[in-house]
Amino acid sequence: GDSVTQMEGPVTLSEEAFLTINCTYTATGYPSLFWYVQYPGEGLQLLLKATKADDKGSNKGFEATYRKETTSFHLEKGSVQVSDSAVYFCALRRGTNAGKSTFGDGTTLTVKP
Amino acid sequence: DGGITQSPKYLFRKEGQNVTLSCEQNLNHDAMYWYRQDPGQGLRLIYYSQIVNDFQKGDIAEGYSVSREKKESFPLTVTSAQKNPTAFYLCASNPSWSSQGNTEAFFGQGTRLTVV
Repeated sequence: GDSVTQMEGPVTLSEEAFLTINCTYTATGYPSLFWYVQYPGEGLQLLLKATKADDKGSNKGFEATYRKETTSFHLEKGSVQVSDSAVYFCALRRGTNAGKSTFGDGTTLTVKP
Repeated sequence: DGGITQSPKYLFRKEGQNVTLSCEQNLNHDAMYWYRQDPGQGLRLIYYSQIVNDFQKGDIAEGYSVSREKKESFPLTVTSAQKNPTAFYLCASNPSWSSQGNTEAFFGQGTRLTVV
């Protein structure tokens, strides 16, 4: 079945540091890939997405590129801020399989001033 | 504004009691989902529904029940058979399940259930 593997956390960085959170996936067909962010006590919000190979999703300084050859969708940001502290989830979804999303276990990011 | 509303935000239950969590959406989405999230862990699928009057078990359905009488509503009941119900519960929805795999899931703000 489908699966998503995320880099284990927690990750602690200083403000303005470079961020990479690794994500690899296993799925049949051609899934769409997503990064969601969860702030404490809240639901998940879409951060960015890519729907086909070589697409780059970007939002709020975050980027991720859909690499089919390595089945990866790594999240990057050049300069993190304290406000980026949250839990980040990588996910995939296919139009079949009842449209269910498959999520990674989440990576907790803490950014210190 | 369109969105998903979960209520209540915090819920306390005595052992042996059933409790129902509400989830309402005005996005006109066909598919709705319930997830459970435990501290420091990912999301586990409890139940999902693709259309009104139909729903399917997810990975951890034991001790839970749902109904889908209206497109907008997908309540989750945590029964006394659920041995460890204390968790954060998230409701989500998608447009048509069959053809729009490129659309994201929309989430509610969650309900934190605590057994006392």
